[in-house]
Amino acid sequence: DQQVKQNSPSLSVQEGRISILNCDYTNSMFDYFLWYKKYPAEGPTFLISISSIKDKNEDGRFTVFLNKSAKHLSLHIVPSQPGDSAVYFCAVHGGATNKLIFGTGTLLAVQP
Amino acid sequence: GAGVSQTPSNKVTEKGKYVELRCDPISGHTALYWYRQSLGQGPEFLIYFQGTGAADDSGLPNDRFFAVRPEGSVSTLKIQRTERGDSAVYLCASSLLAGDLNTQYFGPGTRLTVL
Repeated sequence: DQQVKQNSPSLSVQEGRISILNCDYTNSMFDYFLWYKKYPAEGPTFLISISSIKDKNEDGRFTVFLNKSAKHLSLHIVPSQPGDSAVYFCAVHGGATNKLIFGTGTLLAVQP
Repeated sequence: GAGVSQTPSNKVTEKGKYVELRCDPISGHTALYWYRQSLGQGPEFLIYFQGTGAADDSGLPNDRFFAVRPEGSVSTLKIQRTERGDSAVYLCASSLLAGDLNTQYFGPGTRLTVL
């Protein structure tokens, strides 16, 4: 049973507009959430993270929102740029282990 | 090199054969992770090393999979009696400190194809 779900396999957005990527998780014990970006033939690259004690974290064009009651987080990219086109993975870290649990990814295409 | 490197980049083998996949972490990184990414899925955790010891191997799917890190640097993932279902991209990541999740740096992966 998937603990981290990204229900949209793909998203297409016009350059300059906002991209919103969503992620749901099942375990309320998860305490740290991350977004990774992946280009073809490369490994995932860390993008932004948020702790469960916060509900928002912003870094330049990227903002992550956490709704603990809904067990939902989202990544907002504004303005979107063609270079943002990649697969975005949501990941969680929970408890004593150091492993990351990833979602299935959302392929973002930013159209020029 | 500055990043995590993995060799080979591609490996094609036949069902039943033995394979070894190598990971060179960033110099000085004490923590090393192996993940497996199947088609259409996100990376799935396999094993985590802190120094030379496997601190968490709960993600290894069965006893055909084994990993070592004898000197606390390079790691090798070993798969015996490969099966077609083992076909995936095997990713390695390292971080400076255990639990330092923000800076878990990934290599480009080894694409394993079992015919």
